[in-house]
Amino acid sequence: QKEVEQNSGPLSVPEGAIASLNCTYSDRGSQSFFWYRQYSGKSPELIMSIYSNGDKEDGRFTAQLNKASQYVSLLIRDSQPSDSATYLCAVSIFGNEKLTFGTGTRLTIIP
Amino acid sequence: GAVVSQHPSWVICKSGTSVKIECRSLDFQATTMFWYRQFPKQSLMLMATSNEGSKATYEQGVEKDKFLINHASLTLSTLTVTSAHPEDSSFYICSASVYNEQFFGPGTRLTVL
Repeated sequence: QKEVEQNSGPLSVPEGAIASLNCTYSDRGSQSFFWYRQYSGKSPELIMSIYSNGDKEDGRFTAQLNKASQYVSLLIRDSQPSDSATYLCAVSIFGNEKLTFGTGTRLTIIP
Repeated sequence: GAVVSQHPSWVICKSGTSVKIECRSLDFQATTMFWYRQFPKQSLMLMATSNEGSKATYEQGVEKDKFLINHASLTLSTLTVTSAHPEDSSFYICSASVYNEQFFGPGTRLTVL
């Protein structure tokens, strides 16, 4: 079983709609959760971090964490064509800065 | 967010030569940096954790004698690919941690002919 799992997609969403990206993890010792955006040919860019159960909002982005169910999600409201990218979920366990990445979900926003 | 730079952004070399890639944290000090490799259409693969003033910790399957890592200061880590071969062609990306968040450099695209 993979430690961090994401649906590889591609996920196609109309412009202006909400894009929902999901991630599950297997290690219950996971304490920190991150979403990165990676454009083709570029390096990952941190867009959200979340450490506690519940929702965390930053602009059009909302991260949701449910440790009991071991999943973390990212919602993108009012999706724009510039949101088209691969979104990587990453987790780390307590006391360890090393990240474990999922394989990423490719998101396409359709104008 | 914190800024991490890499140099060079791309390099083409002949098989058998060595290539050095620099990773710098520009506006913060990083006791720990990480080196990743990414092949086309694949996810990031952690190669090693670079610790300032001590030896790097390599992931399983990564040859430490081939991928030499030096973390000479709190703002600089270098990765040297020794005796590079075409199969080493890849996108090499470093990252640095600050306040429990990892920030990535722009990456170095290595092509070995």
